[in-house]
Amino acid sequence: DIQMTQSPSSLSASVGDRVTITCRASQSISSYLNWYQQKPGKAPKLLIYAASSLQSGVPSRFSGSGSGTDFTLTISSLQPEDFATYYCQQSYSTQITFGQGTRLEIK
Amino acid sequence: EVQLVESGGGLVQPGRSLRLSCAASGFTFDDYAMHWVRQDPGKGLEWVSGISWNSGRIGYADSVKGRFTISRDNAKNSLYLQMNSLRAEDTALYYCAKDVGVRGVSNWFDPWGQGTLVTVSS
Repeated sequence: DIQMTQSPSSLSASVGDRVTITCRASQSISSYLNWYQQKPGKAPKLLIYAASSLQSGVPSRFSGSGSGTDFTLTISSLQPEDFATYYCQQSYSTQITFGQGTRLEIK
Repeated sequence: EVQLVESGGGLVQPGRSLRLSCAASGFTFDDYAMHWVRQDPGKGLEWVSGISWNSGRIGYADSVKGRFTISRDNAKNSLYLQMNSLRAEDTALYYCAKDVGVRGVSNWFDPWGQGTLVTVSS
């Protein structure tokens, strides 16, 4: 199976900060990389698909980049509602796998 | 509005069976692949199984292959997961999720239901 490793596992930041979360695949997955946001007690929500495409309705402060094995999710200016856990997910292999998550907390 | 409502979770003994259901509304169900994804309480996400719009393509995680069976009834706008030989490590919140691709399989998911909790314990 393709292993997805996110860094950092947790992150403290302030409103207005620029934040970057990294996801690394154990082998090349081209651009088959998606990002989700999950708030406590809620289901995950799709933010970015195919590495850099913004899902409809998602604020433009979210962006994704990368290809091959290394990917990033960037939030350009953190808003209070962005404090959540973020997961990457590869859709390259028929054995779909997620990263372990990055918890974004208020500093 | 797209809605996915899971049901069928509960407390079950190891080795027993359980059947989960997901009722879909707000979209043309038979145009989309569907998936089950689970989350161990307080932990990460694990894809469990997916089924194409016409049931022609089905996939399972290695951890459940041979024990779980996914199916769908397009006439009833419903997705199912038959879980047999349950183990303690199957304890999780099980989400139903809609694939994004129309009459295809993209393997990315939007939206998700709110989940149904399965607890496997004696």
